[in-house]
Order: sequence, then C-alpha cells, then structure tokens
Amino acid sequence: EPEVTQTPSHQVTQMGQEVILRCVPISNHLYFYWYRQILGQKVEFLVSFYNNEISEKSEIFDDQFSVERPDGSNFTLKIRSTKLEDSAMYFCASSPPVTGFNEKLFFGSGTQLSVL
Amino acid sequence: AQKVTQAQTEISVVEKEDVTLDCVYETRDTTYYLFWYKQPPSGELVFLIRRNSFDEQNEISGRYSWNFQKSTSSFNFTITASQVVDSAVYFCALSEGGNTGFQKLVFGTGTRLLVSP
Repeated sequence: EPEVTQTPSHQVTQMGQEVILRCVPISNHLYFYWYRQILGQKVEFLVSFYNNEISEKSEIFDDQFSVERPDGSNFTLKIRSTKLEDSAMYFCASSPPVTGFNEKLFFGSGTQLSVL
Repeated sequence: AQKVTQAQTEISVVEKEDVTLDCVYETRDTTYYLFWYKQPPSGELVFLIRRNSFDEQNEISGRYSWNFQKSTSSFNFTITASQVVDSAVYFCALSEGGNTGFQKLVFGTGTRLLVSP
C-alpha cells in the first residue's frame, strides 16, 4: 500500500523559532494538504497545494505559515516564528489528479509539534 | 457550508458488545464524499472508508459496517463484537466536489470509544 511519509515524528522548539515539517506524498499524486489537530480537538484543514501554488487555505493559515514543494518529492510546511498555540499534531495528505468513486485517502502519521 | 456532527463524545462498552457511532452531515453539494478515520492512542489517522454520495449501498468489512442514508444525511458506523483494540477516537469527515483529485476534508469532533475487557 502506498503511504505518505512525515518527518520528524516529534519536534520540540522554543517560542519564536522557525520550524519546518516535512512530508513525502504518494508519488503520482498532485494535490497536497496540511491539516492540524490541537490536542483533544478535531482535525482542521490548513492548506492545499496544487500545480506549485496554494489552491486553498483556511483562516488558521496566516502569514506565519508557508508551504513549499522544493523538489519532485518533498512537501514542506514552515512556521516562521512559532507561538505556544502552534503546538499540535500536523498531518500531511495527498490525492491523485482524479479520484475513483471510493478511492482511499491516506494521511501521514503526523508530526507532533511542541512549542515551549 | 459543510458541517459534520458527531453528537456522541464518548462511548463505553464491554468487549463483544455491538456499538454504533453516529455521523450527521450538512452540505449543499449533490456530489460529495464521506469518510471514517480511526485515531488510536498512537495518534495517526487510519483510513477506514470513503463513500461517494451516489453510492447508498451499505458496506461491510469484517466486523465493521457502515449505513449511509441520504434521506437523513447520516453515515453511521457500527462495530460488531467490539474488541479492546477498537478503543480509539473515530472521526467522520466530509469532502465536497466531483471526481477531481481535490479532497478538502471537514471533520467532525470525533467519538472516543472505550472498549473494556
């Protein structure tokens, strides 16, 4: 089964520091996503990326956040100056250009970000 | 606007009991997709099922079954003969749109299932 890979699994940082979360989507997929889950809460959409640009973003995704696909395989989420409230689990996902009716949609195993 | 409601915050059952997790959704689209994910204590999101709005057939996979009813905008999930390993948080999610690859999910708040021996 193909999978979405995320690194690191845990990241601890000091408030104000920059962090980069990394994801390797499934190889033939063209849509890429980041979601966030604050502890004990629901999973929330952050941003989607298609054709080398952001296709949609949520209110959470402010100027402190950016995404990039620096090469043909990686997809990154950067937080420029982390705040305490950025502490959360961050999930990456990807989807192909056209989906079948009941095709699976996989998430990566997540990066737990702790801002101290 | 899309919305997913999982009214049950937490359910506790004893092993071998059957349990149904409720999911009610709201959407204006005629084409949409419904999902269930399992989140065990380790934190990852485990895909369980994706169902499109044109396929109202119920689905059974081992001890898992799903009941999709467009008339009541519900997509309920039943675990038969529950086991301790089923203990997790279960999320229902909705994605609008056609068969393009774009799948932005809106999640419910989740139902925590505790199965005791």
